[in-house]
Amino acid sequence: GQNIDQPTEMTATEGAIVQINCTYQTSGFNGLFWYQQHAGEAPTFLSYNVLDGLEEKGRFSSFLSRSKGYSYLLLKELQMKDSASYLCAVLDSNYQLIWGAGTKLIIKP
Amino acid sequence: GAVVSQHPSRVICKSGTSVKIECRSLDFQATTMFWYRQFPKQSLMLMATSNEGSKATYEQGVEKDKFLINHASLTLSTLTVTSAHPEDSSFYICSAKGQGDYEQYFGPGTRLTVT
Repeated sequence: GQNIDQPTEMTATEGAIVQINCTYQTSGFNGLFWYQQHAGEAPTFLSYNVLDGLEEKGRFSSFLSRSKGYSYLLLKELQMKDSASYLCAVLDSNYQLIWGAGTKLIIKP
Repeated sequence: GAVVSQHPSRVICKSGTSVKIECRSLDFQATTMFWYRQFPKQSLMLMATSNEGSKATYEQGVEKDKFLINHASLTLSTLTVTSAHPEDSSFYICSAKGQGDYEQYFGPGTRLTVT
């Protein structure tokens, strides 16, 4: 079956750095997405990786290793507004998005 | 660009009635639209995928006679929850993508409460 694993919840301090990991086992791979979702709102796009390596976009970076079935989202200089759920999703061989359960990130002052 | 709207944002209906939720792509042609539901503190659950002009493909366990999906144009898809029950209360989110796109663009969601 298809499976995406990410931690349920993480806590970090304002101004610090946090890394949210995602491992996946899917039938085929056509890219991996990270989305941010604030409570009661729809997800918003953060990043898309299809090749191995690190993609940096401001305070957020996303890394992919296809051979390991592994990705992480790195958030730097954490702000209180970064408190949200972070969803990892993989596009499988049928170009269907397979969603992880999300990681709730709690930022403390 | 790539804006998706949903209407209504919140709706309360009585048990047994039907409610329609609209999803519109405002600045692109959405060849494919997706409908998700999300219960509190849970991840998105894909309900169905619809391609413009054809019947929706429903995920296992989703009743197609209860959740009617219509994707009649490249900018509009509707989800009708028929004979709603309190257990249908949820956050319904649509997303859309254009031909050849990988990224799905999400609408703001509709909070449905069935009393």
